[in-house]
This record gives sequence, C-alpha cells and structure tokens, in this order.
Amino acid sequence: EVQLVESGGGLVQPGGSLRLSCAASGFTFSSYWMSWVRQAPGKGLEWVANIKQDGSEKYYVDSVKGRFTISRDNAKNSLYLQMNSLRAEDTAVYYCARGTIFFGYWGQGTLVTVSS
Amino acid sequence: AIRMTQSPSSFSASTGDRVTITCRASQGISSYLAWYQQKPGKAPKLLIYAASTLQSGVPSRFSGSGSGTDFTLTISCLQSEDFATYYCQQYYSYPRSFGGGTKVEIK
Repeated sequence: EVQLVESGGGLVQPGGSLRLSCAASGFTFSSYWMSWVRQAPGKGLEWVANIKQDGSEKYYVDSVKGRFTISRDNAKNSLYLQMNSLRAEDTAVYYCARGTIFFGYWGQGTLVTVSS
Repeated sequence: AIRMTQSPSSFSASTGDRVTITCRASQGISSYLAWYQQKPGKAPKLLIYAASTLQSGVPSRFSGSGSGTDFTLTISCLQSEDFATYYCQQYYSYPRSFGGGTKVEIK
C-alpha cells in the first residue's frame, strides 16, 4: 500500500524557516517524480514544486522561487521542502504527492502557519 | 502561466441528479487535464486524468470530456458520498495549476 506521511509543520514567525519531510513507503520511491502541493485555509489547491527521480530537475511556482528548495533522499525514501523567508501567505496545509503530471497518491498534509 | 477557471464555484443538488462541472483553460492544453475530489479535512483524490480516463477504483458514474480549452466533469447519478469539492488541474505546462474548485452541496 502506497503511503506518504508528511511532518515538520508548525507555527513560525514571518521571515522564519521550516523544513517539511515526507516519508514514502509501499512503492519504489526512486522511480517517481515527487511534488508538493499546498492549500491555504478555506482556499483551493496550489502546486508548489516537484523533483525528478534523481534530483536533477526541479521546478517551482513563481511565488516560492528563491525561498523554497525541494530535495529528496532516495536511500531514506524521503522528500523534503526547505522553506525560508516565510510569509503570511505561505500559511497552508502542505501535501506531498506522487507524480509530476497528475497526482494519484497524496499524504494527509501538514499545516504550516506563518504568524507573529 | 495557464489559468484554470471552474464554473460554477458552488451549487446545490439532490441525490440522483445528473451534474456537470465545467473547467476552462486560458490556453489550449490538449487533453492534459485531471479532476480531483476533495472532502473536508482530507487530501484530494484523483478521479480522472487525460481528460477522460477514469482512475482505477473510481465509480463509472464519473466521466470527463473535452480537449483544448473546455472540459467537463459529469456525475451521472449523484450519490451521498459525492458531496464534496471538485478541482480540475492542467499538466500541459509549468507551473501546474488547479481550478478554483466547485463545491457540490446537498439541496
């Protein structure tokens, strides 16, 4: 059974940093692109970033370029999102998702709240 | 960036109704479109990809159609478990983008 479990969310002040993790199991992690998708409270879905199987290609939505970094460790079956210079508008549930085109598997999400 | 616009943003329907949700892309995306269902407090669930291909395990009352800029999601006979919010998503180009969502509520 495919499982994606996010962790690392929490309350952070504006300008602060946070690192999200996603632990994958039930499939060959190193064979798949992986993505982060977020959802602000009461709002719609927003794709954030994705990363190729070997980490050689990464893509970001404009609003996080230069502030967020996606990475992965295939030996640990883990996906990461390093978030720096956080803003109030980054407040959202962050989902880890398998894939790069459409997303057939999602984690349960981790809430990031940016507030003073 | 490609903008995805869904309509309506919400509506009320009854069990057994046939419902249609529309998604329009700001430029042509061929058939690179997916549909998701999301219930409160839960992660989205993939329903359809490639505009009309049903994801494994999704009931056949769900169907998708369209290509280019105009797409539809149809639920042929609404069931109680179908009351949820539905999103379209294009994967023709980066950045991947979602529609604003359509909430289907109980009448």
